[in-house]
Amino acid sequence: DGGITQSPKYLFRKEGQNVTLSCEQNLNHDAMYWYRQDPGQGLRLIYYSQIVNDFQKGDIAEGYSVSREKKESFPLTVTSAQKNPTAFYLCASSISRTVIGETQYFGPGTRLLVL
Amino acid sequence: EDKVVQSPLSLVVHEGDTVTLNCSYEVTNFRSLLWYKQEKKAPTFLFMLTSSGIEKKSGRLSSILDKKELFSILNITATQTGDSAVYLCAVKAVTGANSKLTFGKGITLSVRP
Repeated sequence: DGGITQSPKYLFRKEGQNVTLSCEQNLNHDAMYWYRQDPGQGLRLIYYSQIVNDFQKGDIAEGYSVSREKKESFPLTVTSAQKNPTAFYLCASSISRTVIGETQYFGPGTRLLVL
Repeated sequence: EDKVVQSPLSLVVHEGDTVTLNCSYEVTNFRSLLWYKQEKKAPTFLFMLTSSGIEKKSGRLSSILDKKELFSILNITATQTGDSAVYLCAVKAVTGANSKLTFGKGITLSVRP
């Protein structure tokens, strides 16, 4: 089946700990994105990547890091510098970031909770 | 700064009712407006609108864009409990070689039996 997978579904973080959220897609999409969703808020862009080995900061990149070593994988690390990490994290992909009119497809999300 | 505002923020209706969800926007270099439905997890794509006045329709759902007044509406007729979800509006804008998607806060629709 083609699609986007995220793991784990739920993740608990202790104070001072870095945690990594996984995102994999087998749609052969070039572009991948990470969003954060808080209650009553829209999706906010954390990082995006247009091609392998390249990524750009979104609107709320502080306290997060990413890598794009493979086309199908775009993991997000929530570092200890992120003081309010509790949120629902959504990964998305699209054929290309620059093609006008292309649509983003979303993974099932990871809910991160701080202990 | 690009802005997308959805209204109302939440709505409770009974099965069989018709609802209209609103999305207004202020963006630079508008390219398209998208509607998504989110039921607890991944948002799923509903419509993409790029031209004014052309209605997109899928079953009981329809949507239209007004680029002059900078808004879109999503209509759902004969609502069912399965329509209960958060409806997200997003606007795509282009800056140079890049494009950016700005989301509204979403509209929570509850359909009661």
